[in-house]
Amino acid sequence: GAVVSQHPSWVICKSGTSVKIECRSLDFQATTMFWYRQFPKQSLMLMATSNEGSKATYEQGVEKDKFLINHASLTLSTLTVTSAHPEDSSFYICSARLEGHFQETQYFGPGTRLLVL
Amino acid sequence: RKEVEQDPGPFNVPEGATVAFNCTYSNSASQSFFWYRQDCRKEPKLLMSVYSSGNEDGRFTAQLNRASQYISLLIRDSKLSDSATYLCVVNFGNEKLTFGTGTRLTIIP
Repeated sequence: GAVVSQHPSWVICKSGTSVKIECRSLDFQATTMFWYRQFPKQSLMLMATSNEGSKATYEQGVEKDKFLINHASLTLSTLTVTSAHPEDSSFYICSARLEGHFQETQYFGPGTRLLVL
Repeated sequence: RKEVEQDPGPFNVPEGATVAFNCTYSNSASQSFFWYRQDCRKEPKLLMSVYSSGNEDGRFTAQLNRASQYISLLIRDSKLSDSATYLCVVNFGNEKLTFGTGTRLTIIP
């Protein structure tokens, strides 16, 4: 159980285009999902917390108008990188929080590699 | 000071040896602690949660020292498949997870 999927697994796009990444919890409902970004040889950095039915909460320094998050259902959150530039190239990983356990645990999707040319 | 600090390594350890990692955290009010492993170009996967009383899962033992604000991970009888980056992860009580930079482990045949 507790499987999270992401789509696409990798994407190459031209500078200036927008890219949408989907994150799905396959066998559980998640009112809260998280979006992370990881640059090479660095740790995961939280970008935003995605809440079902409400606005996402962005971390300091993350532009909400550039990284659009929509959490329209209990199993799907999307991250859209608008007007992507080469510096947005990174490994984007989502996670979904499995609630109801003694220690709430986040399960991660397989990640999406974005390369902006 | 980083919120979660780890020795980045790399640790190069012969197969069958025992290896231990430590991780320190800055906030004494931290609530939950985890060890994740991340293989190259893959997502992090939960290895084990860390409880106050310490816990063991097969060859892996995790311990928490709240007084000194560190957690540890011990791997016994290391296998080649244990080669990965081990991430120390802390929940500071705000539902977010804070990741350390990871400790890279390579098991040598």
